[in-house]
Amino acid sequence: NAGVMQNPRHLVRRRGQEARLRCSPMKGHSHVYWYRQLPEEGLKFMVYLQKENIIDESGMPKERFSAEFPKEGPSILRIQQVVRGDSAAYFCASSPPSSQGETQYFGPGTRLLVL
Amino acid sequence: LAKTTQPISMDSYEGQEVNITCSHNNIATNDYITWYQQFPSQGPRFIIQGYKTKVTNEVASLFIPADRKSSTLSLPRVSLSDTAVYYCLVVMTSGTYKYIFGTGTRLKVLA
Repeated sequence: NAGVMQNPRHLVRRRGQEARLRCSPMKGHSHVYWYRQLPEEGLKFMVYLQKENIIDESGMPKERFSAEFPKEGPSILRIQQVVRGDSAAYFCASSPPSSQGETQYFGPGTRLLVL
Repeated sequence: LAKTTQPISMDSYEGQEVNITCSHNNIATNDYITWYQQFPSQGPRFIIQGYKTKVTNEVASLFIPADRKSSTLSLPRVSLSDTAVYYCLVVMTSGTYKYIFGTGTRLKVLA
């Protein structure tokens, strides 16, 4: 049973470009969570999604960031017009339908570097 | 909003028991507490989860006092491979769900 998959594992972008991060949850999981981790810091919650619905986006920056979890396919975290401060590790986690995130299973992360 | 704080770092020796405490003074009645382990360049790995009193699994124990304002992760007989950062996560279930990670404790196990 494959775990949470994220790709790409590393992403380099120049300022002003778009970054698109993908997350495939564990099989059977319909809840997805995105977190950001700055170097030497803890994880900060960004958004919680269920299939086709954003449940909680209280941790998302108001501009340039968006997330979706379509009926088919992976969840996408999209960052438009990236700036150097967006450089971080972005982790995705998933949980089963019966859970509301009490136990989350994390992917390996995508490390974004903005030049 | 619950704020979670942990000691920044701890050192221990192989074979010792390690206890890491997380403070979450504003925890609400129905909030859950989960602990994760993170190695460099990897995603957090689930260790244990609890709501109250004591929970034990094959790798750790979790102690939560009656007032639930703190929780303690106990790792029995640590080894060098337990060197990692340990995070507590408070899952706030009242109203809109919120997920508050602690500041993380960097555990270094020495030979």
